[in-house]
Amino acid sequence: QKEVEQDPGPLSVPEGAIVSLNCTYSNSAFQYFMWYRQYSRKGPELLMYTYSSGNKEDGRFTAQVDKSSKYISLFIRDSQPSDSATYLCAMFAQGAQKLVFGQGTRLTINP
Amino acid sequence: DGGITQSPKYLFRKEGQNVTLSCEQNLNHDAMYWYRQDPGQGLRLIYYSQIVNDFQKGDIAEGYSVSREKKESFPLTVTSAQKNPTAFYLCASSMASGSLEQFFGPGTRLTVL
Repeated sequence: QKEVEQDPGPLSVPEGAIVSLNCTYSNSAFQYFMWYRQYSRKGPELLMYTYSSGNKEDGRFTAQVDKSSKYISLFIRDSQPSDSATYLCAMFAQGAQKLVFGQGTRLTINP
Repeated sequence: DGGITQSPKYLFRKEGQNVTLSCEQNLNHDAMYWYRQDPGQGLRLIYYSQIVNDFQKGDIAEGYSVSREKKESFPLTVTSAQKNPTAFYLCASSMASGSLEQFFGPGTRLTVL
């Protein structure tokens, strides 16, 4: 079983829809939870991160962590065609030296 | 203009040949990483380096080698021992190995013919 599981999709939604992307994990030592966005043929870039449980909002993006269920989500409101990309979750345990990435979900927003 | 550069963007090699992928950063970061990305598998860590002249194996180091002789450079050699080398290779750096944010280069697409 992988430490981090993420549905690779692909996921296709119409413009303006609310998008929900999710990851589950098995390692209870993870304390930092990140979302990276990767456009086609580019390197990933950090979108946002949260520490421990709770919500964090940044514009149209909301990251949510439920440590009791070992489940994290990224919500995108009023989705735009420019949001079309692969979204990777990543996790980090205190004292660790490396991130653990999910498989990435490929998202397409249709105009 | 700070960032990470990788070269070449596309690379073709014949079976049995070693090939070296370049990664350079001018962000003054201590830590550097090499990942391999295959469809549906996300990023898998090959090697990482926390400081000059030091590096550690990641999850899939077999068939790869690295060096870290300079802070700004972390080249990756894909050897003939790597059984399935065709993939997208990403280099990244961070201020330190415990930093949450890693900065990625644009990647090198390696194809073995």
